[in-house]
Amino acid sequence: AQSVTQLDSHVSVSEGTPVLLRCNYSSSYSPSLFWYVQHPNKGLQLLLKYTSAATLVKGINGFEAEFKKSETSFHLTKPSAHMSDAAEYFCVVTVSGGSYIPTFGRGTSLIVHP
Amino acid sequence: EADIYQTPRYLVIGTGKKITLECSQTMGHDKMYWYQQDPGMELHLIHYSYGVNSTEKGDLSSESTVSRIRTEHFPLTLESARPSHTSQYLCASSGTSGKVAIYEQYFGPGTRLTVT
Repeated sequence: AQSVTQLDSHVSVSEGTPVLLRCNYSSSYSPSLFWYVQHPNKGLQLLLKYTSAATLVKGINGFEAEFKKSETSFHLTKPSAHMSDAAEYFCVVTVSGGSYIPTFGRGTSLIVHP
Repeated sequence: EADIYQTPRYLVIGTGKKITLECSQTMGHDKMYWYQQDPGMELHLIHYSYGVNSTEKGDLSSESTVSRIRTEHFPLTLESARPSHTSQYLCASSGTSGKVAIYEQYFGPGTRLTVT
């Protein structure tokens, strides 16, 4: 069984300040972990992925995430928020060798103030 | 360019009508998925397919049906639309590279359905 918990439903930051979106997971087997971003009235776009290689993963638009097995976490960070980062972010887990059915978190809405 | 398409993007339709939401992908992916998402809310898996002639129901009970006759095409049909079906419907696909499964999903732009 696998599950994902996004610890914040909303995160509010000022433009130019760091972003931290938190995600914890549980998985019986080796997980693959993903972050997706969804802008209003759009589909989801892959930001970055972890698939058992380097634990610090760099993605698009300056985002990165670190896989911490001991903490079962995969938090998303960005050093400096931009207005265009305002969107919904989803953390997703899929188990290797499993059913290929991803489990989605409930999403975190990132609000960026000027 | 490899991509995933959904049509229509927006649909307003009356109660009782039959509708089909189209989804096509040009990436040759074997796995395809349909999600339902209310505004600002989480995604709910309603149908998925592992390949041609394979369809399964997802976690969220849905009155819709799907078919997978061709690898690239995964339409969703509502036989009789109701106001409770008003939502956004997202199609996604994922595939393999050689014998290795690729778990990341590629999403279409979505269809926003309103049933009056």
